[in-house]
Amino acid sequence: DIQMTQSPSFLSASVGDRVTTTCRASQNISTSLNWYQQRPGKVPNLLIFATSKLQIGVPSRFSGSGSGTDFTLTISNLQPEDFAIYYCQQSYRPPLTFGPGTKVDIK
Amino acid sequence: QVHMVQSGPEVKKPGASVKVSCKASGYSFSYYDLTWVRQAPGQGLEWLGWISAHNGDTSYSQKLQGRITMTKDISTTTAYMELRNLRSDDTAIYYCARDLAHQEYCDNSTCHVIAYWGQGTLVTVSS
Repeated sequence: DIQMTQSPSFLSASVGDRVTTTCRASQNISTSLNWYQQRPGKVPNLLIFATSKLQIGVPSRFSGSGSGTDFTLTISNLQPEDFAIYYCQQSYRPPLTFGPGTKVDIK
Repeated sequence: QVHMVQSGPEVKKPGASVKVSCKASGYSFSYYDLTWVRQAPGQGLEWLGWISAHNGDTSYSQKLQGRITMTKDISTTTAYMELRNLRSDDTAIYYCARDLAHQEYCDNSTCHVIAYWGQGTLVTVSS
């Protein structure tokens, strides 16, 4: 199975900050990497697919990059509604594993 | 507009089975694969598997192989996930979700992207 790791597991930031979280796959997954946001008590929401493509309706302050095994999610100009947990997931080969998540909290 | 509406919460005893339904609407049911994901209390997301809404082909998590079955009914545009021989660590919110891309037109990086989620079904396993 492809293992996904994320770092940091927790980060504290302020409104207006630029934050970056990383995701690493245990083997090459090309660009088959997706990012989901989960606000407390809510259903996960697709933010970015295929490494860098923004899902419809997602604000442009979210961006993704990377390829192979190393990927990054960046949120520029952090907004109050962005405080959430962010999960990466590989869709390269089943089982389609998720990372453990990065919790973005208010400083 | 795509809607995925799941059945209500369930409480089961260890060793029992549960069958969660997922009613899809707002799109052509046969053209998009359906994925199931669960989330134990306070934990992350766990992929359970997918089913092709077109031909019923499935891919399951090896961890649950033998205990899980995913099915679909095209006539009612409803998908089902059955989990048997329940254990306490099966307690979780179970989500169904529609894939992003039409199964005939997706490629390596867009197939099986989970886009439209149901509201979740809490399954509690307790004696």
